[in-house]
Amino acid sequence: GAVVSQHPSRVICKSGTSVKIECRSLDFQATTMFWYRQFPKQSLMLMATSNEGSKATYEQGVEKDKFLINHASLTLSTLTVTSAHPEDSSFYICSATRRGRSSYNEQFFGPGTRLTVL
Amino acid sequence: AQSVTQLDSQVPVFEEAPVELRCNYSSSVSVYLFWYVQYPNQGLQLLLKYLSGSTLVKGINGFEAEFNKSQTSFHLRKPSVHISDTAEYFCAVSEGSSASKIIFGSGTRLSIRP
Repeated sequence: GAVVSQHPSRVICKSGTSVKIECRSLDFQATTMFWYRQFPKQSLMLMATSNEGSKATYEQGVEKDKFLINHASLTLSTLTVTSAHPEDSSFYICSATRRGRSSYNEQFFGPGTRLTVL
Repeated sequence: AQSVTQLDSQVPVFEEAPVELRCNYSSSVSVYLFWYVQYPNQGLQLLLKYLSGSTLVKGINGFEAEFNKSQTSFHLRKPSVHISDTAEYFCAVSEGSSASKIIFGSGTRLSIRP
């Protein structure tokens, strides 16, 4: 159990367009979902934390108007990159914590979405 | 604030040789510690985690790590590596509360030579 999926796995778009990435917990209810971005040969950097039904909490330096996060249900969070530019090209990874467990909430990671902005 | 330092960006090792990937952390509170593996163009897979209890933690694929509080280290080891272990390895730390953020180290690329 505890599978997280992302869709699409890869997307190429033109500069100026918006791209939506979905993150789903397939077999559990996720109280919290996290969005990370990873540049080539670098580590994962946390962008934001989202809780179902409330606004996302963004990390310092992450533009909330550019990276719109919606966590509409306990199994789905979406990240929309608005007016994407080539510098937004990156590997975006989501993770989810399982609801109703002990004090330790393990994060389960999705397979990632490769965004390329031309 | 928490931080994680992975001292080696790349570690080349011959097949069937032992390997140690180093990780040091800093935190003012109790922490949970993790090692993740990332294969090319894939997400993260949890290798092992330390929450409490025994300081020697065994994970998947024959890996193990030892939590050393006095040295604030959590080094990853494997006695004999295989070609399939070639990947990026990330050490990570989380403060001991629910749904806490995970802070990742910069990663260590393990390359196995035949």
